[in-house]
Amino acid sequence: AQSVTQLDSQVPVFEEAPVELRCNYSSSVSVYLFWYVQYPNQGLQLLLKYLSGSTLVESINGFEAEFNKSQTSFHLRKPSVHISDTAEYFCAVITYNTDKLIFGTGTRLQVFP
Amino acid sequence: DGGITQSPKYLFRKEGQNVTLSCEQNLNHDAMYWYRQDPGQGLRLIYYSQIVNDFQKGDIAEGYSVSREKKESFPLTVTSAQKNPTAFYLCATKTSGYTGELFFGEGSRLTVL
Repeated sequence: AQSVTQLDSQVPVFEEAPVELRCNYSSSVSVYLFWYVQYPNQGLQLLLKYLSGSTLVESINGFEAEFNKSQTSFHLRKPSVHISDTAEYFCAVITYNTDKLIFGTGTRLQVFP
Repeated sequence: DGGITQSPKYLFRKEGQNVTLSCEQNLNHDAMYWYRQDPGQGLRLIYYSQIVNDFQKGDIAEGYSVSREKKESFPLTVTSAQKNPTAFYLCATKTSGYTGELFFGEGSRLTVL
């Protein structure tokens, strides 16, 4: 069975600093990987996804994530964060032979002025 | 407007009462999901349905029941058998295929007194 680990439950950072949110997965078969963002008291929104092709994927608001098969990781990065990036971020995985998206426990990104 | 509507947004109930949470979608998606979110535990899958009149248990189905009589609707009943029902419940739909994106409603927060 597949699983997702987000080691950092909280990441505090100052505005305009870089940030990395870590995600590792475990699966015996090929996976598709996702990052979702959740603002307070709302549902989740897709931030970016890796399906195939280039291992570096980008979102429209400056986030990027790199799929590393050898390290089974899909870390999320942003070179310069903004106050509005304060939210909870979830890494998720789905395999080709299931229809269930498995989520990590989430990382709360807190951006301070 | 296309989307997913969850109701009610907030719900208070006494212990021992059954509660039904509504989820309606007009995205014409076949697959629908119910997740439970607790602080520090991420999202856990309760039930999912890939087609009308069919549904499968997720990882934490005990104490919950669902129905899928219409494509647009996937209500979740939290029964009195659920030992710790206070949580944030999220409904989602998915585009077809394993690589499909999940779309989330805004959630229902259930508090059992």
